[in-house]
Amino acid sequence: GNSVTQMEGPVTLSEEAFLTINCTYTATGYPSLFWYVQYPGEGLQLLLKATKADDKGSNKGFEATYRKETTSFHLEKGSVQVSDSAVYFCALTTTGNQFYFGTGTSLTVIP
Amino acid sequence: DTGVSQDPRHKITKRGQNVTFRCDPISEHNRLYWYRQTLGQGPEFLTYFQNEAQLEKSRLLSDRFSAERPKGSFSTLEIQRTEQGDSAMYLCASSLGGGSPEQYFGPGTRLTVT
Repeated sequence: GNSVTQMEGPVTLSEEAFLTINCTYTATGYPSLFWYVQYPGEGLQLLLKATKADDKGSNKGFEATYRKETTSFHLEKGSVQVSDSAVYFCALTTTGNQFYFGTGTSLTVIP
Repeated sequence: DTGVSQDPRHKITKRGQNVTFRCDPISEHNRLYWYRQTLGQGPEFLTYFQNEAQLEKSRLLSDRFSAERPKGSFSTLEIQRTEQGDSAMYLCASSLGGGSPEQYFGPGTRLTVT
């Protein structure tokens, strides 16, 4: 079946620290992979995507590379800001319809 | 550019009552999705429409749940005879489909069943 496993949170970092949030997946077929971000009191926002192996998605300083050999899609940012504090969700779809989400990783960035 | 909107944002109801939620997708999107999210979890798929046709339903969508998209635009999700276990955030998303699988989410409707 299809599933996503994310590193457990919460994660607390100081401003300007390097961020990695691990995401691994199991999928039947060839999934597209996504990272979504949920700020307090808001809905999920698409952060970045990758639709085939070795693709790198990037947005707002965040990056993730689709690694088929390790079935991973880890989220990274070189220098986090207080405004990056949110919950981050890794997700996949194989059909373009039903998305499968991880449980989310809460990030708090302190000044 | 209006995104996905949902109404109401919050709903408190007594156990056994019926509730209905509305979702208005991004106007040019022909696909619409409903998800449920409980505290500390990621969203779980409930159902999906392409235009007015409901093409997929999750096992999570019990007989007490019904969703419609009568004219291929807005959608409603009704829960009959609510139970405390129905308390959750109900999320709506829409997409263009085809080569653009990314889904765009609304702010959600938070349901509390007392």
